[in-house]
Amino acid sequence: AQSVTQLDSQVPVFEEAPVELRCNYSSSVSVYLFWYVQYPNQGLQLLLKYLSGSTLVKGINGFEAEFNKSQTSFHLRKPSVHISDTAEYFCAVSPPNSGNTPLVFGKGTRLSVIA
Amino acid sequence: DAMVIQNPRYQVTQFGKPVTLSCSQTLNHNVMYWYQQKSSQAPKLLFHYYDKDFNNEADTPDNFQSRRPNTSFCFLDIRSPGLGDAAMYLCATSRDWAAGDYGYTFGSGTRLTVV
Repeated sequence: AQSVTQLDSQVPVFEEAPVELRCNYSSSVSVYLFWYVQYPNQGLQLLLKYLSGSTLVKGINGFEAEFNKSQTSFHLRKPSVHISDTAEYFCAVSPPNSGNTPLVFGKGTRLSVIA
Repeated sequence: DAMVIQNPRYQVTQFGKPVTLSCSQTLNHNVMYWYQQKSSQAPKLLFHYYDKDFNNEADTPDNFQSRRPNTSFCFLDIRSPGLGDAAMYLCATSRDWAAGDYGYTFGSGTRLTVV
């Protein structure tokens, strides 16, 4: 079974500074990987996903993530954050041939951008 | 725009009084999911439908039921809400089981308060 570990529950960062949110997964098979963002009192919105191919994936709002198979990681990065990036970020995993297996989410990382 | 709509956005119910949350989609997706999300936690899958085939997670309490009368609508019924059922309830859809190919689309959620 797949599992996802988000190593930091909270990440405070100053505006215009870079940020990295860490995500590690465990799986005995190849996987698809996702990052979702959740603004207060909202549903989840897809930021980006890795299915195959290039290990560097670019998403919306200037975010990108890098898939590292040897380290089983899929860390999310942004070179310069804005106040509006303050939100909860969830990493999720799914096997490619998922059959009846829905997405598995990590516990989330709360990003707080400080002016 | 095609989307997933949850009603109401905020619901207050009395302890023990049955309550129904609704979700509708204009995406014509085959799969619909209900997640429960408590404060600062990851979304927890309660159940999902592939078309009319119902899949209940093993640890979903019997107090929670679901109905999907047609492709577009799915309902979450809580028969006797307890204080511990206060949470954000998220509805999501996907075209098929392969979450990676098509992704999940989430509604904005219903925040349930039990008094």
